[in-house]
Amino acid sequence: EAQVTQNPRYLITVTGKKLTVTCSQNMNHEYMSWYRQDPGLGLRQIYYSMNVEVTDKGDVPEGYKVSRKEKRNFPLILESPSPNQTSLYFCASSPRLALPGWETQYFGPGTRLLVL
Amino acid sequence: GQQVMQIPQYQHVQEGEDFTTYCNSSTTLSNIQWYKQRPGGHPVFLIQLVKSGEVKKQKRLTFQFGEAKKNSSLHITATQTTDVGTYFCAGEEKGSGAGSYQLTFGKGTKLSVIP
Repeated sequence: EAQVTQNPRYLITVTGKKLTVTCSQNMNHEYMSWYRQDPGLGLRQIYYSMNVEVTDKGDVPEGYKVSRKEKRNFPLILESPSPNQTSLYFCASSPRLALPGWETQYFGPGTRLLVL
Repeated sequence: GQQVMQIPQYQHVQEGEDFTTYCNSSTTLSNIQWYKQRPGGHPVFLIQLVKSGEVKKQKRLTFQFGEAKKNSSLHITATQTTDVGTYFCAGEEKGSGAGSYQLTFGKGTKLSVIP
């Protein structure tokens, strides 16, 4: 089954304790992206990757890191989480674009993070 | 930076009534996408619009892209309880460079359907 998986689905942590949220897709997609979703603010893009070893900042990259060492994986790293990073996080992937349009972007199930 | 405004924020309709949500961008868009998110779920891609003035239909859903490629709308005819959820638009700014792939989402319109 074609899917985007994220782990963990729920996480409670404390300020300053490094954490990683994993994202994996089994569709051989080139493009992957991370979003955070907050009430009243909608979805905001954190980082995206156009292919292996190619990443770029989205609208809200501060406090986050990403890596794309393999095509299928795109982990999100919070080196020193703070309470304002409490949010619902979504990973997404999409096949190579036929510019100027997009192929379908598939979202993972989400990771709900609480930073105390 | 690019901003995408979406209205209304909430819409309550009686089942069978029509529903429309609107998106307006501060800049010209290369393309716009629409997503639906059910309560407790993840966004699901509905459609993308690329051409100026483009209109696409999916059963009871009609999507339009403005002539200036700065606004878009989603219209649902005769809503059903299965239409409940939040509808988001997402735009890619024109001229952002080949392969920049940076998307800006509207804040969404939450649709409630009263049976």
